[in-house]
Amino acid sequence: AQTVTQSQPEMSVQEAETVTLSCTYDTSESDYYLFWYKQPPSRQMILVIRQEAYKQQNATENRFSVNFQKAAKSFSLKISDSQLGDAAMYFCAYRIPYYGGSQGNLIFGKGTKLSVKP
Amino acid sequence: DGGITQSPKYLFRKEGQNVTLSCEQNLNHDAMYWYRQDPGQGLRLIYYSQIVNDFQKGDIAEGYSVSREKKESFPLTVTSAQKNPTAFYLCASMDQVAYEQYFGPGTRLTVT
Repeated sequence: AQTVTQSQPEMSVQEAETVTLSCTYDTSESDYYLFWYKQPPSRQMILVIRQEAYKQQNATENRFSVNFQKAAKSFSLKISDSQLGDAAMYFCAYRIPYYGGSQGNLIFGKGTKLSVKP
Repeated sequence: DGGITQSPKYLFRKEGQNVTLSCEQNLNHDAMYWYRQDPGQGLRLIYYSQIVNDFQKGDIAEGYSVSREKKESFPLTVTSAQKNPTAFYLCASMDQVAYEQYFGPGTRLTVT
């Protein structure tokens, strides 16, 4: 069964500094998708970044980037120039491709709570 | 604006009562999902529907029921058989081109 592990329940970063959140996953699939979601205090889940497993290039979205290591089954999120608004729960999620017979649902890690210090 | 709405934001019920949580989307997505979130547990899948008039059990379906009579709507009923219904419930729909799930704002259900 596929599993997603986030080993850091809580992290803290100084404003304007860089922080990296860890995520590992277990799967026997070769084609899949990985996501990072942000959940601020409002509890709205917001997609931060996605990565297709067949792409070797790491995804980047403004200050957010990932380090995708397929062989190691590792998918870490780097937040550069951290801002107070980055404070939130961050969830790593895995999804197998959506095709016949597949659920297409997301498997989530338990989350990392990120605090940003001014 | 396209999006997913869930109502109400907060819901209180007495033990033994069934309660229905609303989820509506105008994104024209075929697939919709219900998740439950508990502290320290991440999100767990309750039910999902890939198309109208069809739905499947997720990992924790016991004590819940759903319907999918319209593409836009996927209501979740928390029945009295659910032993620990107090939780935060999130509805999502999926863009099957980008393979991305979009979430509603959630409903916090408290049963006493």
